Amino acid sequence: DTGVSQNPRHKITKRGQNVTFRCDPISEHNRLYWYRQTLGQGPEFLTYFQNEAQLEKSRLLSDRFSAERPKGSFSTLEIQRTEQGDSAMYLCASSLMGGAGNTEAFFGQGTRLTVV
Amino acid sequence: GEDVEQSLFLSVREGDSSVINCTYTDSSSTYLYWYKQEPGAGLQLLTYIFSNMDMKQDQRLTVLLNKKDKHLSLRIADTQTGDSAIYFCAPGGFKTIFGAGTRLFVKA
Repeated sequence: DTGVSQNPRHKITKRGQNVTFRCDPISEHNRLYWYRQTLGQGPEFLTYFQNEAQLEKSRLLSDRFSAERPKGSFSTLEIQRTEQGDSAMYLCASSLMGGAGNTEAFFGQGTRLTVV
Repeated sequence: GEDVEQSLFLSVREGDSSVINCTYTDSSSTYLYWYKQEPGAGLQLLTYIFSNMDMKQDQRLTVLLNKKDKHLSLRIADTQTGDSAIYFCAPGGFKTIFGAGTRLFVKA
């Protein structure tokens, strides 16, 4: 596997339910990012990890959202008590932060969440 | 905070050149990227330019960077129908910030 993998690709859930998405980054990449993209907009930054440490969270990430990267490899993004406004594409990206500061990010195909 | 602005739409005829422009506010990035997104898909890295360069050519793609004006452009030569997509400018950094993207329509 040479790319970023996200599962599931699509998720339909009822309002009020909890959902969890998974992202498997490129294996040697130490940084992992989560973005949300709504129709007609560019991706909005949610949070990122360097190894297992969550270094920044956007104010977009309400208390209902939590992300983890327990072993510095795959990451999960959980949304509790989903609302219709959570319907969006959730994108994961990974990068290798090296000494040159190159933060070229490679993206997965995304998980499309629909809250009904 | 950081801001990235792009024109929302661009329409060109097949075979013509396309120029997509971007202005940004955060100038601390070492690299500046262009991504392409096709319908229902994730983002594909197209090309990037190092911040101390003015121009980079990569096959049909030419990236121009004006650091003073914080302006980045992407030129696609001999535009094809397969180039129809949304193009995002993304000044890199520890977190990549995206604009709303430019929707390129290529007419046959």
